[in-house]
Formats: sequence, C-alpha cells, structure tokens
Amino acid sequence: QKEVEQNSGPLSVPEGAIASLNCTYSDRGSQSFFWYRQYSGKSPELIMFIYSNGDKEDGRFTAQLNKASQYVSLLIRDSQPSDSATYLCAVMPGGYNKLIFGAGTRLAVHP
Amino acid sequence: DAGVIQSPRHEVTEMGQEVTLRCKPISGHNSLFWYRQTMMRGLELLIYFNNNVPIDDSGMPEDRFSAKMPNASFSTLKIQPSEPRDSAVYFCASTPGGVNEQYFGPGTRLTVT
Repeated sequence: QKEVEQNSGPLSVPEGAIASLNCTYSDRGSQSFFWYRQYSGKSPELIMFIYSNGDKEDGRFTAQLNKASQYVSLLIRDSQPSDSATYLCAVMPGGYNKLIFGAGTRLAVHP
Repeated sequence: DAGVIQSPRHEVTEMGQEVTLRCKPISGHNSLFWYRQTMMRGLELLIYFNNNVPIDDSGMPEDRFSAKMPNASFSTLKIQPSEPRDSAVYFCASTPGGVNEQYFGPGTRLTVT
C-alpha cells in the first residue's frame, strides 16, 4: 500500500466549476498535510497546508482534513484554465521531519 | 530575494560518467532537501540536511549516490558512476526550519545515455 494515494486523473472540469481533489494516507500518526501545484516542466509550489481537522480556506482554495478517515482534499472554486496543473498531496508522517508525496492528480480546466 | 538556485539546469552525460548537481538554498534557511522526480516513481525524497548535517539519507538509492553540504549556502548531489536509470529531474528544496513550507528550486533535468 502506498503511503499517500491520489487519483492520477486527469480530472476535467469546466471553467467556473468547483474542482475537488482527494488524497488518502496510511500513517495514522501524520500531523501535517500540504498541497503543492506543479505546472508542466516546472517545480512544485506550495499552495496550502493544514494541520487540524476541518476546513481551511485561502481565496479560491479550501483544504479539508479528516484524520479519522485519513483523507485530505483540496477544493478549487471558480476554476480557471490557469489552474490546469498537477496537484501533489504531501504528508508529514508522525515523528519525521520530511514529506511523503503522492503521485499527483492532473487537473484540466477547459473553457 | 533569490529563490533556491540549482545548476546545471540540464545535464546530458554518458553512462559511467560522474555527475555533480549543485544547490544554493535560500539565505537563512537551515533545512535542505534533495528530491528526484520520474514519471514512474513520482517525487521521492533522497536526503535531507538540517544545519548542514545529514539527518535522513534512507532515500538514497545506492552507494553510487552521495550528497554533501559543506556550508549553509551550498550542497552537492553526486552520482558516480551514472546509469541510464538515473535519468530524472532532481529538485533541491529549502525551508527556514522544519517542513512547513518547502521552497523548490527549478530542478536539474538529468539524461544519462
């Protein structure tokens, strides 16, 4: 079982819709969760992190964490074609100062 | 302020040659991470340093790989001898402390023929 799992996609949504990206993790002791965006040929860039159960909003982005179910999700409201990228979920396992990345979900927002 | 700097950006070499990748973290950051990214395996942590000291090198694939951080502003990742399966994009990232916000460099695309 992979430590961090994501659907590879592509997830295709129309412009203006809500894109929902999901991630599950295996280490129940994980404390910190991150979402990175990676455009093709570029390096990953952090867009959100979340530590506590519930929702965290930042502009058009909302991260949701459910530790009991061991999943974290990212919602992108009013999706734009510029949001088209691969979204990487990263988890910091309990007791470790490092991140484990999922394989990423490719998002395509079409006009 | 300059971000993480990596060199070279592209490297093409023949199997058996030595390859050295370089990274300059953001000034003031005391944690540095080396990652490798491939289509098959995704983004994998190779090694990370805290205050120039290697903390976890469990991701280093084999003895052909070595990494050093002689000072707070410079790190190298060396592959000797290189093999075609080492072809990947190698990223360096740094943080001011911990993993809360890793800033990635532009990466080095390595091709071993």
